[in-house]
Amino acid sequence: QLHLQESGPGLVKPSETLSLTCTVSGGSISSSSYYWGWIRQPPGKGLEWIGSIYYSGSTYYDPSLKSRVTISVDTSKNQFSLRLGSMTAADTAVYYCARQGGFYDYWGQGTLVTVSS
Amino acid sequence: ETVMTQSPATLSVSPGERATLSCRASQSVSSNLAWYQHKPGQAPRLLIYGASTRAIGIPARFSGSGSGTEFTLTISSLQSEDFAVYYCQQYNNWPLFTFGPGTKVDIK
Repeated sequence: QLHLQESGPGLVKPSETLSLTCTVSGGSISSSSYYWGWIRQPPGKGLEWIGSIYYSGSTYYDPSLKSRVTISVDTSKNQFSLRLGSMTAADTAVYYCARQGGFYDYWGQGTLVTVSS
Repeated sequence: ETVMTQSPATLSVSPGERATLSCRASQSVSSNLAWYQHKPGQAPRLLIYGASTRAIGIPARFSGSGSGTEFTLTISSLQSEDFAVYYCQQYNNWPLFTFGPGTKVDIK
């Protein structure tokens, strides 16, 4: 059974950079059939796709976040990571990582990130 | 960008009743449409993909239909554990796989 787990700080100061890591277990991140994505949910709002990465390193980002987002992969650790710069209160959200084969079939439990000084 | 809309925003249903949720795409997404169930404090759960194929372990009371721009999720007889927010998501128009705003199903 595939398992994904997000890790990273729960509190980030305004203007700083958020760094989150998703560790994949029970399967290989190097599978040729899947991308690996980050999705977030601000309080009281719906799901927002942030971006996705293939094991080879190819990335796709939501245009509205593209200037601030970097997603990377470490196949040796079976992990992929999110960096989101210039954080503001509007970036407060639960951040999820998920396996993406078009649709998202496996998700992490999510981690709440609050932007506050 | 393909914009997804869902209706209604909130659906109040009694246990045992049928619930019908709608999802519309601003352009055709063929049958590349998924539905998710999301409960507070939990990860979203994939219910349906390919517009009508149930994911592994999903009860038969959940069914999906539609293609192109109009889609429906039907819960035939609502159980207490089905009260949640439901999202549709298109995965046809690479790479922007957009979600709908969600429909909250609550107890009437």
